[in-house]
This record gives sequence, C-alpha cells and structure tokens, in this order.
Amino acid sequence: NAGVTQTPKFQVLKTGQSMTLQCAQDMNHNSMYWYRQDPGMGLRLIYYSASEGTTDKGEVPNGYNVSRLNKREFSLRLESAAPSQTSVYFCACLRVGRVGDTQYFGPGTRLTVL
Amino acid sequence: AQSVTQLGSHVSVSEGALVLLRCNYSSSVPPYLFWYVQYPNQGLQLLLKYTSAATLVKGINDFEAEFKKSETSFHLTKPSAHMSDAAEYFCAVSKSSGNTPLVFGKGTRLSVIA
Repeated sequence: NAGVTQTPKFQVLKTGQSMTLQCAQDMNHNSMYWYRQDPGMGLRLIYYSASEGTTDKGEVPNGYNVSRLNKREFSLRLESAAPSQTSVYFCACLRVGRVGDTQYFGPGTRLTVL
Repeated sequence: AQSVTQLGSHVSVSEGALVLLRCNYSSSVPPYLFWYVQYPNQGLQLLLKYTSAATLVKGINDFEAEFKKSETSFHLTKPSAHMSDAAEYFCAVSKSSGNTPLVFGKGTRLSVIA
C-alpha cells in the first residue's frame, strides 16, 4: 500500500517546454488535489477533482491543465513552462470519514524552470 | 470564505521547552481544522484534526491542539520539544461538509536548539 505516489521527484525544464506531473493513489478515494508550495506562501490549490471525470479550478489554475484519467490517477500538465512555475508540487487524495475528512499527500515533485 | 493565519513564520525553542505554534481561523460555517507537519524534503503528514467532537485534540508525537471558538484559534502545543520536532508546520481549515479543499496557512518553521 503505497498511498499517494508522484513522478518525477525532480525535474528541470527550460522556459516554454511542456511536461506532465503524474499522481496515483491506491486508497480508492474519489477526490484528488494538486497544490503548489512556495516559500512563505504555504500550499495553494491549483486544481482538484471530486470524482472521476470531473475537475475544478482552485486558487491558482492559470498555466496548468489537469486530467482525471481514472479513479487512481490525476495528472497535472504544464503546456508552456514559465520560471514563475518553479515550485514544489504536491498531490493529495481525500478520505471521507464519519468523523471528518482527511487529506493524504504524496512526497512532492520539485520543478525548476530556467 | 475560509482562511487561516499562522502567527510567526519562524519559531525557535530550546530542547525540552514548551512548543506553541499559533493558528487563527476565519470561517463562516463550522470548521474542520488540521495541523500538518512537513519534514525537510518530504510531503505533508497529518498531526491532528478537529472535527467538532472534543475541543482538545491529541495527535502524534505528543502534540495537541485546543479549539477555542471564542478566540477562533487552534494553537498547537507540545510540552517538551525534541530535536526531531524541527520541521515546518501548517494549519489548515475546511468546511465541515465533505469534499472541500483545504485552505492552508503560510506555515511556521520550528527550530529546536540543543
């Protein structure tokens, strides 16, 4: 049981290049999320998916697209990377419980855009 | 709208001293409140959560937090700091209904001095 996995762990891109960050969860939860973490900013929500086939914008969606391929996988795509997208990206899934919901996070992807 | 304010971006304590990390929230509906910890180069790990049951919540590694509605606070404490507690701590809030994204504070970095 790996929980939430993310690939790659590290990536360096040049401005204008594209790439897809992969996220998968083996906990069979419906909701998944993508956050970015920047120094002094905490975590900010980029996109989320309440269930397979649905996606919604979060606080900072510009420059990103997402795909909820199936219940397990939720990918984040940068079509034309910019230096402002240099960040650490975290994927999370949500366990809905009788005594409150809990988000579980992956280990993160460190992205540098030159 | 919901928001979280963490007072102090950096807190430094001596080993064995009390740890107090402050969090105030704003929510128009009854909130769920969370504390997450992030060790260097790792993802976020849930420390504890408040879900409208007991106001004093105990978490892992002897951390606890008290929900005070009158003060809109959810401060995190630990009686005796250990070197291994050095990390970044995030307070987060969500609505008490299910499937809503977390809103995070900007984080507090805890340093523990020997």
